[in-house]
Amino acid sequence: KAGVTQTPRYLIKTRGQQVTLSCSPISGHRSVSWYQQTPGQGLQFLFEYFSETQRNKGNFPGRFSGRQFSNSRSEMNVSTLELGDSALYLCASSLPGDEKLFFGSGTQLSVL
Amino acid sequence: SQQGEEDPQALSIQEGENATMNCSYKTSINNLQWYRQNSGRGLVHLILIRSNEREKHSGRLRVTLDTSKKSSSLLITASRAADTASYFCATDASAAGNKLTFGGGTRVLVKP
Repeated sequence: KAGVTQTPRYLIKTRGQQVTLSCSPISGHRSVSWYQQTPGQGLQFLFEYFSETQRNKGNFPGRFSGRQFSNSRSEMNVSTLELGDSALYLCASSLPGDEKLFFGSGTQLSVL
Repeated sequence: SQQGEEDPQALSIQEGENATMNCSYKTSINNLQWYRQNSGRGLVHLILIRSNEREKHSGRLRVTLDTSKKSSSLLITASRAADTASYFCATDASAAGNKLTFGGGTRVLVKP
């Protein structure tokens, strides 16, 4: 069974640009969550989607958005990139009713 | 902000020794989970303990939870070089879905 797949693995952007990250959950998993990891702030929750609906949201500005498709794949978008958005973005999926998360390897975003 | 605070921030031990790390949190929780992360990679779920449980074992792992003190500990017995990683506690206090709040992590180095 394939794990959580995140693409791309690495990304370099410049300030002001926008970026879209993709996450394919494990087959059968309908919940997808996104986390941002930085050395200074640690792991912070961005949002969670279940059956194409945002179920939970973290304390991030509106520049951070996401969506989930009918096949449970999810994308997150960051607009008007800032230097501080440089981070490892992690996606995780879970089975309905299961609190255990399965994480992908992440997308390392560098904003120059 | 992080709900969980972990102690110590870093730990260096010899192979075969036990490693203990602690996690404190601030609010009432549904469950507490421990995850492992190898450098720059995704997190791997280790163990989940519910708020009505006090102790749980999984292989060489032992987790305790004291809800009166809002704290948990993770013990890794007979450590191996492959246990070298960062370990994170994560609490879930959400009313629905999964919204984990992670601690800052403990970096463990197991020397052969």
